[in-house]
Amino acid sequence: KQEVTQIPAALSVPEGENLVLNCSFTDSAIYNLQWFRQDPGKGLTSLLLIQSSQREQTSGRLNASLDKSSGRSTLYIAASQPGDSATYLCAANAGGTSYGKLTFGQGTILTVHP
Amino acid sequence: KAGVTQTPRYLIKTRGQQVTLSCSPISGHRSVSWYQQTPGQGLQFLFEYFSETQRNKGNFPGRFSGRQFSNSRSEMNVSTLELGDSALYLCASSLGEGFRNEQFFGPGTRLTVL
Repeated sequence: KQEVTQIPAALSVPEGENLVLNCSFTDSAIYNLQWFRQDPGKGLTSLLLIQSSQREQTSGRLNASLDKSSGRSTLYIAASQPGDSATYLCAANAGGTSYGKLTFGQGTILTVHP
Repeated sequence: KAGVTQTPRYLIKTRGQQVTLSCSPISGHRSVSWYQQTPGQGLQFLFEYFSETQRNKGNFPGRFSGRQFSNSRSEMNVSTLELGDSALYLCASSLGEGFRNEQFFGPGTRLTVL
């Protein structure tokens, strides 16, 4: 059974800092891994999708890496801004007969203060 | 292009009642998944539909059911509501077969059971 863990559970940083959020998964047989952000009381916004054959993906100030062999993914946020404050979730997709099922971590609550 | 829409956005029901939630995927998307989000359990997978067929189901009691229509719109139904069913219900759509594509989430339906 796939389990996804995110560390740290919460992070508070001053504006402008570069930061790293960690995601680990127990079953390395994943098809892809997706990072989301969630603002309070809202739905999930997709940030990056990394296929199992890829090592990293970049979008603007965000960079996500994937190391299947070690069961780890990281989300790097450069030059953080107060608008980045949200909960960040990673989700693993095992593919195959799991089809659309994503297994989520508990999230990292990020606060960027001015 | 319109995103994933969910109706209603908020619902208040009493124990024992039943409820139907609706999800309209992004135009052209054929896969729809449903998730339950609670503070204690986080995001948990309910079921996934593709071309009107349920391909995967999470570990929820039979009170939770769903269906998908020929236009890819999906509904989920919860019968005999319990207090523990209070949650944010999220649906996600993807372009093709769920595990191959990025998933996009709607804003959710907030269900409160009194």
